[in-house]
Amino acid sequence: RKEVEQDPGPFNVPEGATVAFNCTYSNSASQSFFWYRQDCRKEPKLLMSVYSSGNEDGRFTAQLNRASQYISLLIRDSKLSDSATYLCVVPNTGNQFYFGTGTSLTVIP
Amino acid sequence: DVKVTQSSRYLVKRTGEKVFLECVQDMDHENMFWYRQDPGLGLRLIYFSYDVKMKEKGDIPEGYSVSREKKERFSLILESASTNQTSMYLCASRQEDRVGETQYFGPGTRLLVL
Repeated sequence: RKEVEQDPGPFNVPEGATVAFNCTYSNSASQSFFWYRQDCRKEPKLLMSVYSSGNEDGRFTAQLNRASQYISLLIRDSKLSDSATYLCVVPNTGNQFYFGTGTSLTVIP
Repeated sequence: DVKVTQSSRYLVKRTGEKVFLECVQDMDHENMFWYRQDPGLGLRLIYFSYDVKMKEKGDIPEGYSVSREKKERFSLILESASTNQTSMYLCASRQEDRVGETQYFGPGTRLLVL
């Protein structure tokens, strides 16, 4: 089983829609989780951190379900500028981070 | 803001050449990482370093070596480049190994090995 798994998509949604991505992880001892955003041919950049049950930042909400070992990212009122690949990241012990393969989002006018 | 820089954005090398990729961070971070990113495979860890002159193998260290002589600089070396090392190489740094500390990435180097 992979350490981190994501639905690769692609997700194509109209402007203003709400879209949600899920990510499952295998290490039940993981304590913190991250969502990164990666634009085409650019480096990943931190979008949100999740430590407890969830985190909200404007139109973005990240939730954590430890019992089922998944985290989700919800984007409300999608903008064209939200088009990107979203990476789920789970730190492991020993300073290693495990990255999902990413979920591709395209917001359509 | 954390700044991580990489020596080249694009690089073309021939099979068998020795290739040096350099990464510099300006935030006095303890930990530095080298990844490669390939379509459908995501980011895979090659090596990381938690201190000067210290290094640890990641998931795919074969064909690579690293050097960390100074805290701010972490170099990735391809001893004899091969075509299957054509990839996007990303360097990252992190303050310390502590819950909640995230990684910051450089802009990446796209390497093509002919």
